[in-house]
Amino acid sequence: AAGVIQSPRHLIKEKRETATLKCYPIPRHDTVYWYQQGPGQDPQFLISFYEKMQSDKGSIPDRFSAQQFSDYHSELNMSSLELGDSALYFCASRVAGGYEQYFGPGTRLTVT
Amino acid sequence: GESVGLHLPTLSVQEGDNSIINCAYSNSASDYFIWYKQESGKGPQFIIDIRSNMDKRQGQRVTVLLNKTVKHLSLQIAATQPGDSAVYFCAGETDSWGKFQFGAGTQVVVTP
Repeated sequence: AAGVIQSPRHLIKEKRETATLKCYPIPRHDTVYWYQQGPGQDPQFLISFYEKMQSDKGSIPDRFSAQQFSDYHSELNMSSLELGDSALYFCASRVAGGYEQYFGPGTRLTVT
Repeated sequence: GESVGLHLPTLSVQEGDNSIINCAYSNSASDYFIWYKQESGKGPQFIIDIRSNMDKRQGQRVTVLLNKTVKHLSLQIAATQPGDSAVYFCAGETDSWGKFQFGAGTQVVVTP
């Protein structure tokens, strides 16, 4: 069965650089969630989109922005990267009216 | 603030024994919960879910129990196998539909 796809899987950036993470939800899933997971921590909700509109916002820094496109894929844009942004970034998708939320494999971002 | 948290950070289980992982939540409005399994370097994997109108749900080798009175849920794994070694998270759906709040994970270590 198709799963959530994230790219790239690994990304190394320097401080103050920018990064773009991509998420391709499961086909027919119209809701996308972004989470950040620091080392040894639980995933923290960042932002979500439903039908290409932002549906909720969590602890996402102002330096980050995201959007969902017409094909339902989503991109998380991160600017002025800081060392503390080093983490695993997960995307999850869900079908409207459904309950289960499925996670992608994550993007490991390392900021040096 | 609202929180979903686990009681024990690490659980050592002998292969073949049953495992019980506990989770407490504080938001009485949470009405849907998911247990996730996360292996090192991978995204959270959906194990089993339960809605608040149920107090028990069974899957293959796993059972989730929900006690709304004390705001507690547990995950029971029968006949624990080496492949069950992972971090387990409980996540509760907050009052904002679809956004999950995760508890701190429990590391399950299966010993031979």
